[in-house]
Amino acid sequence: GDSVTQMEGPVTLSEEAFLTINCTYTATGYPSLFWYVQYPGEGLQLLLKATKADDKGSNKGFEATYRKETTSFHLEKGSVQVSDSAVYFCALKDSGGSNYKLTFGKGTLLTVNP
Amino acid sequence: DTAVSQTPKYLVTQMGNDKSIKCEQNLGHDTMYWYKQDSKKFLKIMFSYNNKELIINETVPNRFSPKSPDKAHLNLHINSLELGDSAVYFCASSQEGGAHNEQFFGPGTRLTVL
Repeated sequence: GDSVTQMEGPVTLSEEAFLTINCTYTATGYPSLFWYVQYPGEGLQLLLKATKADDKGSNKGFEATYRKETTSFHLEKGSVQVSDSAVYFCALKDSGGSNYKLTFGKGTLLTVNP
Repeated sequence: DTAVSQTPKYLVTQMGNDKSIKCEQNLGHDTMYWYKQDSKKFLKIMFSYNNKELIINETVPNRFSPKSPDKAHLNLHINSLELGDSAVYFCASSQEGGAHNEQFFGPGTRLTVL
C-alpha cells in the first residue's frame, strides 16, 4: 500500500538557519505529493504541492522537488523564522483507486529559536 | 468566510456516552473526509464521502457512523465512547477527489473521553 516516511523530529533551529525535512514515499500509481503545515492549535494548511516528476512546489520561501528516481519530496527553506515553528506533514495522494484520501507521514515538529 | 468549519472545537465527555461532531464546507466541494490525529500527531483517514456516498471506510469501529445529509455537510456520530477515542478529529473537503486537488481542513475538534 501507499506510505510516507519523513524524518522524525523534533527539529530545533536558530533563526536564519537552513532547513531540510526529508520525505520519501511508496505508491502504487503516480501520486501527487504535498507538504501541509499545522501551526499550534490550528488545522492543517497546504504549504506546497507537486503533481508530477521533476515538478518543484514553492511557497513562503519553502521548496520541494518531486524526485521520482529517489521517490523523495524533501522540504527545504534557506532561512527559517520563528514564525515557521509548526508541525510539517508530507503526504501523498495516489492517482489510482485510493485518490480519495491523503496518506500522511508522521509529522515533524520544527521549533525555531530567536 | 470560514471554508471548512467544525463544531464543537472542544468536547469533553464520559466513557460510554454518545456524541456528534458537525462539519460544514462552503467551498462547493463534492468530497468530504474525516481524519483522526492521535496524541503523537499521527493523521489517519477515517472516512471519505463523494456526493453523499461513502467512498472510504478505513477499518473504523462501527461505533463511528458518518452521515452526509448533503454535499456541504459531513457529521460524525460516535456511540459508546471509549478512552482510546480521545484525539483531535479533522474534517476536510476537496473537489472530485482527484489526485491533484488539495484538501482543505477544518480547525479540528479535540475530543477528550474521561
